[in-house]
Amino acid sequence: DAGVTQSPTHLIKTRGQQVTLRCSPKSGHDTVSWYQQALGQGPQFIFQYYEEEERQRGNFPDRFSGHQFPNYSSELNVNALLLGDSALYLCASSLSGLSRGYTFGSGTRLTVV
Amino acid sequence: GQNIDQPTEMTATEGAIVQINCTYQTSGFNGLFWYQQHAGEAPTFLSYNVLDGLEEKGRFSSFLSRSKGYSYLLLKELQMKDSASYLCAVRDRVRGSTLGRLYFGRGTQLTVWP
Repeated sequence: DAGVTQSPTHLIKTRGQQVTLRCSPKSGHDTVSWYQQALGQGPQFIFQYYEEEERQRGNFPDRFSGHQFPNYSSELNVNALLLGDSALYLCASSLSGLSRGYTFGSGTRLTVV
Repeated sequence: GQNIDQPTEMTATEGAIVQINCTYQTSGFNGLFWYQQHAGEAPTFLSYNVLDGLEEKGRFSSFLSRSKGYSYLLLKELQMKDSASYLCAVRDRVRGSTLGRLYFGRGTQLTVWP
């Protein structure tokens, strides 16, 4: 049973560019959350998708947007990249409801130069 | 808002016991999680507490006191492979929703020496 799959694993972009990161949730999970983890920090909540809608959002600007598809997979888009957007982006999937089962992917390492 | 505090670094020797503390201030508390994260890898689930008390799972135990906003992760019989970052995370609950989100501390980097 595959866990959470994220792509790409590494990415280098230039300031001002746009990027799309992808996430396939664990089989049976219907909710996807995205987190940003800067070096030496804990993950910070970006937003959460359920039933193809953004349900909750953390303290991130509108440059961060997302999408969830009917097969529960998700994308994270970041526009007008800044140097400060360099981080590990983690996707976590879960089953709706307050379960204990959050499964994280290995993340996408984004470097903005 | 959410405020989660844990030590930045800890060291211990193989075979020893280490306790990693976590204090939190949060609204709408709905569970506390501990995750282990090796460098460059995904966080992996260690434990979950929603009621006060101790949860034991092999070499790992986790304790929660909701009234004190306090939790700890206890690791016994330390092994070299336990060297990793340990993340404390609190889940809130948005009114009218069955979905929660996790708020993480910055992680405690544990180094186990031979």
